[in-house]
Amino acid sequence: DAKTTQPPSMDCAEGRAANLPCNHSTISGNEYVYWYRQIHSQGPQYIIHGLKNNETNEMASLIITEDRKSSTLILPHATLRDTAVYYCIVRLDGSDMRFGAGTRLTVKP
Amino acid sequence: IAGITQAPTSQILAAGRRMTLRCTQDMRHNAMYWYRQDLGLGLRLIHYSNTAGTTGKGEVPDGYSVSRANTDDFPLTLASAVPSQTSVYFCASSTLAGVSTDTQYFGPGTRLTVL
Repeated sequence: DAKTTQPPSMDCAEGRAANLPCNHSTISGNEYVYWYRQIHSQGPQYIIHGLKNNETNEMASLIITEDRKSSTLILPHATLRDTAVYYCIVRLDGSDMRFGAGTRLTVKP
Repeated sequence: IAGITQAPTSQILAAGRRMTLRCTQDMRHNAMYWYRQDLGLGLRLIHYSNTAGTTGKGEVPDGYSVSRANTDDFPLTLASAVPSQTSVYFCASSTLAGVSTDTQYFGPGTRLTVL
């Protein structure tokens, strides 16, 4: 199982880009990188996922390094509503999705 | 479309009592999952079901049972609740199980307290 490492907390100013790093040095070739977030007391919310190419959707961008050992989730213009715990997950084969402790992002006015 | 609904929203339960947490999805997803979330431990998979009629054990299955009689419903039962089962429980579903690109969507959660 590929394990992920994320900083426990980060701050970001409102309106600025939030860059959340994730290390997954033991990722295997067919494992995807997923990002979810959890706003206080709510269920986890899917953000984005990717394999090796950079991905972008209406919520965020995902930058994966060429060696796939790390990735960065980018929220281009963070708002107060983006304050949440962000989880980086490397998807195992089968039905298992392992959530770690994540990064608590606080967006400040 | 409601997505995934869970009931009850919260519950206080005496130890030794039986409790069933309900989960219903209207997205016709094949796979469904139950997680528990405890402070500092992230989410841990309890049981899953790849399709109606099949179930499997996750990371922390002891003390819990599930059934999958149809596509939409995936109840989680605590036969005899213990205080260590105090947690927030999340149900999730996805289109296909066993596929790395399959995205799981989560319900709002049930906060359970066992005294």
